[in-house]
Amino acid sequence: EAGVVQSPRYKIIEKKQPVAFWCNPISGHNTLYWYLQNLGQGPELLIRYENEEAVDDSQLPKDRFSAERLKGVDSTLKIQPAELGDSAVYLCASSPDRGETQYFGPGTRLLVL
Amino acid sequence: AQTVTQSQPEMSVQEAETVTLSCTYDTSENNYYLFWYKQPPSRQMILVIRQEAYKQQNATENRFSVNFQKAAKSFSLKISDSQLGDTAMYFCAHSGGGADGLTFGKGTHLIIQP
Repeated sequence: EAGVVQSPRYKIIEKKQPVAFWCNPISGHNTLYWYLQNLGQGPELLIRYENEEAVDDSQLPKDRFSAERLKGVDSTLKIQPAELGDSAVYLCASSPDRGETQYFGPGTRLLVL
Repeated sequence: AQTVTQSQPEMSVQEAETVTLSCTYDTSENNYYLFWYKQPPSRQMILVIRQEAYKQQNATENRFSVNFQKAAKSFSLKISDSQLGDTAMYFCAHSGGGADGLTFGKGTHLIIQP
């Protein structure tokens, strides 16, 4: 069974530029999560989807971050414009349903210069 | 709000030894889940073990076992016969019964010395 796929793995951009991350969850997993992981810290939830509906986006900085999950499968997370403080690893995870174990992708490491 | 505390930023043991990683948590929920995840230097987060709060029996997975003390809100991970490949960051995490996202601790960097 294929795991959670994320791309790109690494991204270097200049501040004020836009950037987008893509996530393909495990087939059949209804719930999808985006996490932010700063260096030396545990991941923090940004947004959770149940199928195509964002059911928890309270930690998403909505002035510059946006996310979508079209057709309840793939998801994209966008930052526009990026700031220096956005440099971090962005992790995507999926689970079969609410409360089930979450499986993580390899993450996208973002460096904003 | 849920919180997870890992009080050991780094631990180092010799290969084949047993090591215990500590975790405490705070929650107002009665039904919840606890996890230990491993994150090697490649950064892929991997599930080590999972515990449902309603189960009194401690979870075990081969060399990995937990000591779940619900009243004390403690959830420690024991790794027996440690191996070089166990070197990684270990995160304790909590998920509420309503299936919110995971709340992670800050992690423990475990180093297995040859």
